[in-house]
Amino acid sequence: GESVGLHLPTLSVQEGDNSIINCAYSNSASDYFIWYKQESGKGPQFIIDIRSNMDKRQGQRVTVLLNKTVKHLSLQIAATQPGDSAVYFCAENLTPSGTYKYIFGTGTRLKVLA
Amino acid sequence: KAGVTQTPRYLIKTRGQQVTLSCSPISGHRSVSWYQQTPGQGLQFLFEYFSETQRNKGNFPGRFSGRQFSNSRSEMNVSTLELGDSALYLCASSLEGASETDTQYFGPGTRLTVL
Repeated sequence: GESVGLHLPTLSVQEGDNSIINCAYSNSASDYFIWYKQESGKGPQFIIDIRSNMDKRQGQRVTVLLNKTVKHLSLQIAATQPGDSAVYFCAENLTPSGTYKYIFGTGTRLKVLA
Repeated sequence: KAGVTQTPRYLIKTRGQQVTLSCSPISGHRSVSWYQQTPGQGLQFLFEYFSETQRNKGNFPGRFSGRQFSNSRSEMNVSTLELGDSALYLCASSLEGASETDTQYFGPGTRLTVL
């Protein structure tokens, strides 16, 4: 499959444990953020989003936390499963009004250990 | 509904050549964005097209260009290829690309290798 990064930070988690993936964003004016999951050989897949007027948003098994003070995002995955193994990217929107142009983080590789 | 498709999936070129990559968005989607993904730089925005017009542009040299057709299909072209252009080129489509709830859906990418 496609290699999305040879030198990505890697998080190894035991199956069934919770995972926390962190991301620092660059622009304090960014007002919308997305987490993407990219599996080998595939393009990024939308997981969850959050607007800057929120601190927390929950989805199915995933929670995103936003700390605007320190420009930090985190993605929490509950009860991590082997299918969660992938590279995870955060993306920030740099054009708060009008059309959207996203800036992506470098990504974190999540490895789920059986 | 079929997803975003990109052709070809793999391409090998030599320095100085040019290349054209193709992207077919999800049916009904009018916004198409292109990204370059490399191990060193991650995912970088190239440009976005909507209604056959380039609406947003990233910080890439003029060797990178694109266009969009009336059926929303898009092509990107890279002229005078350099070794550093070796990357995975991703295309993403969305309905209008003008709303934060208008999710981008990515294709599988075209892996370009420049020798």
